[in-house]
Amino acid sequence: QLQLQESGPGLVKPSETLSLTCTVSGGSISSGSYYWGWIRQPPGKGLEWIGSTSYSGNTYYNPSLKSRVTISVDTSKSQFSLRLSSVTAADTAVYYCTRRPVGYGVDVWGQGTTVTVSS
Amino acid sequence: DIQMTQSPSTLSASVGDRVTITCRASQSISSWLAWYQQKPGKAPKVLIYKASSLKSGVPSRFSGSGSGTEFTLTISSLQPDDFATYYCQQYSSYSVGFTFGPGTKVDIK
Repeated sequence: QLQLQESGPGLVKPSETLSLTCTVSGGSISSGSYYWGWIRQPPGKGLEWIGSTSYSGNTYYNPSLKSRVTISVDTSKSQFSLRLSSVTAADTAVYYCTRRPVGYGVDVWGQGTTVTVSS
Repeated sequence: DIQMTQSPSTLSASVGDRVTITCRASQSISSWLAWYQQKPGKAPKVLIYKASSLKSGVPSRFSGSGSGTEFTLTISSLQPDDFATYYCQQYSSYSVGFTFGPGTKVDIK
């Protein structure tokens, strides 16, 4: 059964760059049938799509975050990564890595990792 | 951008009740809609995709309907394990991005 696991710092200073990695296990990241992506959820709030990548590296970003987001994939390590620059307190959230089959909703979620932006 | 709304935002119900949650899209999304259940401290779980297709393993008391701009999630007989927050999500086969509704919290009456 495919599993996703987020990793990265839980505390980031304002104006710095948030960096997270998602490791895929129990299955292959190298399939054209899926998008690998990131969703976040601020404390007590709803879910926001950040962006996605295909295994070949095609990327798609939420227009509201596009200027600050970079998502990359490393198939040799079965990982994909998120970088969010110039963070503020508004970026404090639980960050989930996800898999979405083409034409379907998100079917696999990581457990989520809490990132706090604070000095 | 397609905007999603849900009603009600909070719903108080008792075990055994029939519960209906409504989700509306700002423009037609055909049947490209999924429903998720989220419990505190946990990642969401998909219940329904393509508006009415039940994910394998999800209890049959959950059902979805609708197309175009108006959709509903129905729980036919609410069980203790169903108290949670429910989100709708629009997606499509030709667009990678997607948006969620603001959520409906189902709590104990």
